[in-house]
Amino acid sequence: DTAVSQTPKYLVTQMGNDKSIKCEQNLGHDTMYWYKQDSKKFLKIMFSYNNKELIINETVPNRFSPKSPDKAHLNLHINSLELGDSAVYFCASSPQEEKLFFGSGTQLSVL
Amino acid sequence: SQQGEEDPQALSIQEGENATMNCSYKTSINNLQWYRQNSGRGLVHLILIRSNEREKHSGRLRVTLDTSKKSSSLLITASRAADTASYFCATASNDYKLSFGAGTTVTVRA
Repeated sequence: DTAVSQTPKYLVTQMGNDKSIKCEQNLGHDTMYWYKQDSKKFLKIMFSYNNKELIINETVPNRFSPKSPDKAHLNLHINSLELGDSAVYFCASSPQEEKLFFGSGTQLSVL
Repeated sequence: SQQGEEDPQALSIQEGENATMNCSYKTSINNLQWYRQNSGRGLVHLILIRSNEREKHSGRLRVTLDTSKKSSSLLITASRAADTASYFCATASNDYKLSFGAGTTVTVRA
């Protein structure tokens, strides 16, 4: 039973397309996150939701829109994809903003 | 903005040797955490040390924290090939953000 699962694992798409990445956690955690890891492995927080409420919204282009239908799900929709969006996107969850449990990542390649 | 910075960027050691990596950060923290990332996988939490703690152990891992120097170290003793991975420190402040560095890549040679 995967604790934090995200789909798809790989996503290859053309510039200008719109795509979504889904994330689900079965740990009962209140807080979920999206992180972006670039080619140099630097991991940067994008968004955080606590009980479906947005609590962190870093300086991210508004082409990125998170949606949390319930506290077990946090999806990421990206409009008008650009070359610079190519990265690995990680979903994570945590109890009470302590240690994070990560999904296995979605490698996005924009051509 | 990036909070933690790991040093060195890369480390290559022989199986059985110890591996030490350091993390420096800039602002005050509630806790500092270390994570491991195997190639192509998500990060896995290793250990959490709170701002009022100085040292913590977990199996072959030993973490120290010096809040006066704003630095932490992770020691892996008696390394194994399976320890080959990237290791990240992450700092937690009051704003619920966990800020990561770019990691130290450790290669353990058989």
